[in-house]
Amino acid sequence: DAGVIQSPRHEVTEMGQEVTLRCKPISGHNSLFWYRQTMMRGLELLIYFNNNVPIDDSGMPEDRFSAKMPNASFSTLKIQPSEPRDSAVYFCASSPTPGQGPRSYEQYFGPGTRLTVT
Amino acid sequence: AQKVTQAQTEISVVEKEDVTLDCVYETRDTTYYLFWYKQPPSGELVFLIRRNSFDEQNEISGRYSWNFQKSTSSFNFTITASQVVDSAVYFCALSELGRALTFGSGTRLQVQP
Repeated sequence: DAGVIQSPRHEVTEMGQEVTLRCKPISGHNSLFWYRQTMMRGLELLIYFNNNVPIDDSGMPEDRFSAKMPNASFSTLKIQPSEPRDSAVYFCASSPTPGQGPRSYEQYFGPGTRLTVT
Repeated sequence: AQKVTQAQTEISVVEKEDVTLDCVYETRDTTYYLFWYKQPPSGELVFLIRRNSFDEQNEISGRYSWNFQKSTSSFNFTITASQVVDSAVYFCALSELGRALTFGSGTRLQVQP
């Protein structure tokens, strides 16, 4: 089985540009999470979806960030306009429906997108 | 609010030594899940183990073992006979009922040959 797929793997952009990060969760997983990793703040949740519906977006830094999950196999995280402080590694993770099966609650991570905003 | 503390920022050992990574957590929920992830230099996050709050049995998987103690809110990770390939950053994390993970700050393990 393919794991969580993220694209692009690396993105370098200039301040003010729009950035779109993409994620394909593991097939059959009903929960999808976006995390951000920085040296200063470590790994922190941005938003998570269950059955394509956003459940908790309290970690989204500000209105410049938006996330969508139009279907069970695709999600995007958009930053518009981007700023240098958005530079980080953005991880997408997916997990099975909570409470169903022995692997429930286990989150599997994609390889991450390293974003650099100059 | 939940919190995970990994007090050891960096540990350096020589190959074949045993090493224990500490993790202390805080939560008000009675049902929760604890995790360990490994982040090698390549950057990906690799799932190692999940324990639920009702199962305090220790677990062993090869050279890895985990000690879960609710009385002290700790979930420590031991690597026996460490190897250079174990060099990585290790994260402990907590999840309440399938919600998002709260991560500790990580412990960087350096295994010297």
